[in-house]
Amino acid sequence: EPEVTQTPSHQVTQMGQEVILRCVPISNHLYFYWYRQILGQKVEFLVSFYNNEISEKSEIFDDQFSVERPDGSNFTLKIRSTKLEDSAMYFCASRETSNSYEQYFGPGTRLTVT
Amino acid sequence: AQRVTQPEKLLSVFKGAPVELKCNYSYSGSPELFWYVQYSRQRLQLLLRHISRESIKGFTADLNKGETSFHLKKPFAQEEDSAMYYCALSAGTSGSRLTFGEGTQLTVNP
Repeated sequence: EPEVTQTPSHQVTQMGQEVILRCVPISNHLYFYWYRQILGQKVEFLVSFYNNEISEKSEIFDDQFSVERPDGSNFTLKIRSTKLEDSAMYFCASRETSNSYEQYFGPGTRLTVT
Repeated sequence: AQRVTQPEKLLSVFKGAPVELKCNYSYSGSPELFWYVQYSRQRLQLLLRHISRESIKGFTADLNKGETSFHLKKPFAQEEDSAMYYCALSAGTSGSRLTFGEGTQLTVNP
């Protein structure tokens, strides 16, 4: 069964550095999402992406964040200048069409900012 | 604004006992409600959706619009049900986000 994949599984970076988290959504899916979960807190929506543009973003998703689908298969989340509070588990998800309801989640990337 | 509340962070029951995981929501429109489950070291996966009204792994959930609740129930818990359970809400529009509750860690003891 097709699955969403994410790399790396764990990323350690220093404060102020740029990081790129990578996701490969399920191949025929059209909607893509990033969520994050700070340790001990709830899963929070960051951004959704459709038709090569952001369709919705949360207040968390400020100018430090950007998303891209550079080659038709990868979906990336970039954090330009990481802060300590960006340490979290980042989940990518994809959904097939506007008529489908299920979002399929990747295993997550644990980002640790030191 | 969308909000989902799961009042119990931890829930522990014995095998064979009934289990109910509570979920309350607030949303001004007509939401879609979901239960997602995360077994140990596995990814989040959809357990069930209110519109489908089906029973998955013996779990059911009924949307109560009057009480704005979507509690998850199972009459006889099994050890393999031990997992983290998240209630989630979607505005139901195309491509819309999921808003999650805090999650309930269910432990089913032998």
